[in-house]
Amino acid sequence: GAVVSQHPSRVICKSGTSVKIECRSLDFQATTMFWYRQFPKQSLMLMATSNEGSKATYEQGVEKDKFLINHASLTLSTLTVTSAHPEDSSFYICSARDGSGGSYNEQFFGPGTRLTVL
Amino acid sequence: GENVEQHPSTLSVQEGDSAVIKCTYSDSASNYFPWYKQELGKRPQLIIDIRSNVGEKKDQRIAVTLNKTAKHFSLHITETQPEDSAVYFCAASKGGGYQKVTFGTGTKLQVIP
Repeated sequence: GAVVSQHPSRVICKSGTSVKIECRSLDFQATTMFWYRQFPKQSLMLMATSNEGSKATYEQGVEKDKFLINHASLTLSTLTVTSAHPEDSSFYICSARDGSGGSYNEQFFGPGTRLTVL
Repeated sequence: GENVEQHPSTLSVQEGDSAVIKCTYSDSASNYFPWYKQELGKRPQLIIDIRSNVGEKKDQRIAVTLNKTAKHFSLHITETQPEDSAVYFCAASKGGGYQKVTFGTGTKLQVIP
């Protein structure tokens, strides 16, 4: 099956620093990738939709200057949390959709990145 | 935008009993409804999905039903086992490859041995 990797799996950083999270589709080309944020015992909240070669579409309430998303290739998208603060601490999960095969394409999720900002 | 509501938020059943989770959606244009299982600290895994051109789909102990008129869909797990314990999320999408998926709030299922 399709595999999505995410790196790092866990990161601890100081307040004010920037953190980059990578999401890779390992065995398929992902024309669309999604970035989610999940708080403990809560649902997945979509942050942005990223299409290869174009600007990401951010959900309402998500600061695009704070959460920079780049989808430079069909297998890699990155999320950079700029000037991180403790309230940015969360579980960040990416997902990727295979660009081939029609409309109803399953999303494959990465394993997530646990970000802790001190 | 789409709004997906999910009930109940927690569900405890005895091993061997059935579990039912219900969801409603708001956007009549949604036509793809996946269900995900998420174990603690792990990624969501697709367990079953249904498209709007069918009313029911079954895969072994798992089944999903869809009522387009009422805009609700349900997950049924029969003969529950302890390994079914997890958080389950329903979701709705318009189905296109670039279309986002809106998740429900989740149901924590506990199967008591």
